[in-house]
Amino acid sequence: AQSVTQLGSHVSVSEGALVLLRCNYSSSVPPYLFWYVQYPNQGLQLLLKYTTGATLVKGINGFEAEFKKSETSFHLTKPSAHMSDAAEYFCAVSVHLQGGATNKLIFGTGTLLAVQP
Amino acid sequence: DGGITQSPKYLFRKEGQNVTLSCEQNLNHDAMYWYRQDPGQGLRLIYYSQIVNDFQKGDIAEGYSVSREKKESFPLTVTSAQKNPTAFYLCASRVRQGADTQYFGPGTRLTVL
Repeated sequence: AQSVTQLGSHVSVSEGALVLLRCNYSSSVPPYLFWYVQYPNQGLQLLLKYTTGATLVKGINGFEAEFKKSETSFHLTKPSAHMSDAAEYFCAVSVHLQGGATNKLIFGTGTLLAVQP
Repeated sequence: DGGITQSPKYLFRKEGQNVTLSCEQNLNHDAMYWYRQDPGQGLRLIYYSQIVNDFQKGDIAEGYSVSREKKESFPLTVTSAQKNPTAFYLCASRVRQGADTQYFGPGTRLTVL
């Protein structure tokens, strides 16, 4: 069964510092992996996704993530944090449901990123 | 603008009452989903629908019901059988085939008084 583990429910960085949010997955088939961001009392916005091909994926707002099959990881990084990056971040893996026609997302428990001035 | 709308944004309910949360999308997506979000637990799937007039239970369907009479609409009813309904509810949609990306609405926060 597929699962997602996000290490660190709270991460705090200084403005301008590197952001690293960790995500490890478990999947019996090649996974599709996603990072979403959620601002308070709002829905989820897609940051980036990995399906196939290039293992380094670039997303919006300067974020990127690297799929490492050998480490079953999909960590999210940003070279320089900005105050506007403060939000909750969710990693998710896609599970194909009956008939393969649609999917279910399995979410991690989220990491709340705080950015200190 | 294309997107997903959820209403109301905030909803208060007395114990024992049923309440219906609205989800509408104009993205022409086939599949729609309802998730429940609780602090520290991520998102959990309640129900999903691949096409009109068809829907399946997710991981935590007990105490909830849905309908899919139109492609654009996927309302969720929280019944009195749901023992702990206070949560943030998120609706999502995606095209049926191809890319797996789900797009989310802004959410409804339900509080039981």
